Amino acid sequence: DIQMTQSPSSLSASVGDRVTITCRASQSISNYLNWYQHKPGKAPKLLIYAASSLQSGVPSRFSGSGSGTDFTLTISSLQPEDFATYYCQQSYSTPFTFGQGTRLEIK
Amino acid sequence: QVQLQESGPGLVKPSGTLSLTCAVSGGSISSSNWWNWVRQPPGKGLEWIGEIYHSGSTNCNPSLTSRVTISLDKSKNQFSLKLSSVTAADTAVYYCARADTNAGRNWFDPWGQGTLVTVSS
Repeated sequence: DIQMTQSPSSLSASVGDRVTITCRASQSISNYLNWYQHKPGKAPKLLIYAASSLQSGVPSRFSGSGSGTDFTLTISSLQPEDFATYYCQQSYSTPFTFGQGTRLEIK
Repeated sequence: QVQLQESGPGLVKPSGTLSLTCAVSGGSISSSNWWNWVRQPPGKGLEWIGEIYHSGSTNCNPSLTSRVTISLDKSKNQFSLKLSSVTAADTAVYYCARADTNAGRNWFDPWGQGTLVTVSS
């Protein structure tokens, strides 16, 4: 199985801050990497697919980059509605696997 | 737009079989998409369970494959999950999700709201 490791596991930030979350794959996955936002009691929401493509309807303050084994999700200016848990996920091979999540909290 | 909704018992006895259904609306289960199940145990991360295509082809997580059956019902536009011999470790919120695809890449969108299944006597 491909292991996905996110860092940090949790992060405290303020509205307006720039935030970067990192995801590392245990082997090269090209750009088969997706990012999701998950709020308690809600369905996970796709933010970024294929490492850097912004899903339709997702604000442009979200961006993704990377290829191979190292990827980042950046939120350029945090908004109140962005406080949630973020997951990366590889779709390079089955079993599809997720990172352990990064919990983004209000400072 | 496509919407997914999970349904099924919220409580299953140990050693029993967990059975869930995902109803698809706003689109056809016979479209060129894989249909997936993902779960999240309390306080833990997301785990992919498996997927099914409209042809009936399936792929499952090797950690669960001996206990998992995924099927679909085209007449009802829904797909289902059965997980046998459950234990407390199978307690989780279970989500269904469509895998969308482009240029060989795929991603999960949309997802259902999720349903909590508790394994307890």
